[in-house]
Amino acid sequence: DAEITQSPRHKITETGRQVTLACHQTWNHNNMFWYRQDLGHGLRLIHYSYGVQDTNKGEVSDGYSVSRSNTEDLPLTLESAASSQTSVYFCASSESIGGGYNEQFFGPGTRLTVL
Amino acid sequence: AQKVTQAQTEISVVEKEDVTLDCVYETRDTTYYLFWYKQPPSGELVFLIRRNSFDEQNEISGRYSWNFQKSTSSFNFTITASQVVDSAVYFCAHRGGSNYKLTFGKGTLLTVNP
Repeated sequence: DAEITQSPRHKITETGRQVTLACHQTWNHNNMFWYRQDLGHGLRLIHYSYGVQDTNKGEVSDGYSVSRSNTEDLPLTLESAASSQTSVYFCASSESIGGGYNEQFFGPGTRLTVL
Repeated sequence: AQKVTQAQTEISVVEKEDVTLDCVYETRDTTYYLFWYKQPPSGELVFLIRRNSFDEQNEISGRYSWNFQKSTSSFNFTITASQVVDSAVYFCAHRGGSNYKLTFGKGTLLTVNP
């Protein structure tokens, strides 16, 4: 069965370190997204990609970067981790069919703690 | 810009009660899509239902039903005869027809007590 996986599932790091969260999907979806979930804020979009070599900033992109070198993967990098980036991170993917619902399917999440 | 408002932060009910979760959206798109997701205590996000702006038919799926009204920009979700397993955070989301991004509401925590 197709799926979307994230690794690691839990990560503790120190302020200032670079951290990369992995996201891998086997749906063969063109669209991939990264969100962070914080209490009182719901899910907020960090970055998204509509295909290989395409990346775009979301509403909370400062301090984060992504790259898309193939269809299956969209790693999220925190260049210099800050305590404000302690959060649960979700990756999602969707099809890109014109006129379709293109609902997003989510990975299991990565809980990141920055000390 | 799109906005999704879930005014109910937390709801607590007793098992077998009916409960309605409210969702109000703002959009300038003429074509758009609405979604509900469930996040149980285990943390994963589960897609529940989708609706497009041209389809105002209400939908029922077992104990779940959805009421989409364009006139009031609302897409409410009702659970009939709630069960403890319905305890979760429920998110409403909007996608404009011109892109694939979702805008989420802040979620409603539903607790169903035995």
